[in-house]
Amino acid sequence: EAGVAQSPRYKIIEKRQSVAFWCNPISGHATLYWYQQILGQGPKLLIQFQNNGVVDDSQLPKDRFSAERLKGVDSTLKIQPAKLEDSAVYLCASSYSSYEQYFGPGTRLTVT
Amino acid sequence: GNSVTQMEGPVTLSEEAFLTINCTYTATGYPSLFWYVQYPGEGLQLLLKATKADDKGSNKGFEATYRKETTSFHLEKGSVQVSDSAVYFCALRQGGKLIFGQGTELSVKP
Repeated sequence: EAGVAQSPRYKIIEKRQSVAFWCNPISGHATLYWYQQILGQGPKLLIQFQNNGVVDDSQLPKDRFSAERLKGVDSTLKIQPAKLEDSAVYLCASSYSSYEQYFGPGTRLTVT
Repeated sequence: GNSVTQMEGPVTLSEEAFLTINCTYTATGYPSLFWYVQYPGEGLQLLLKATKADDKGSNKGFEATYRKETTSFHLEKGSVQVSDSAVYFCALRQGGKLIFGQGTELSVKP
């Protein structure tokens, strides 16, 4: 069974630029999560989708971050404009039920 | 609010040494508890879990017991290997949401 796929794996941008990350969950997984993992900290949930509806986006900085999950499969997370403090690893995870989550390898973003 | 606190790292051990990584939590109700492991360059993998008080999760020689009275879920392994070098995250799940500790880096030397 293929795991959660993410791209790109690495991205370097300047502050005030925009960036987008892509996630393809495990086939059949209805729930998709985006996490932000700042160096030295644990992952923090940004947004949770159930199929293509948002379940929880309480910690998503909506003035600059946006996410969508069209057709209930792939998802894209966008940052516009980026700030220095957005430097982090962005993890995507998916689950069949709301129980065990399977994580992708992450996208490491560096904002200079 | 809900939170997870882990012991500070990095932890450096010699091969075959005994490992303990402390984890305590604050939560309302009865959350499920998890240990995740993150190997270099990879995503998080579920290592073990426990869903109720006194449950013991175990996998690959690692164990952790859900202690409600001390709100703890300490990770242990009797004999670590070089291949166990990774970052370990304790987490709780409540209402479908995972809340992670800050992670503890383990380095095992031959």
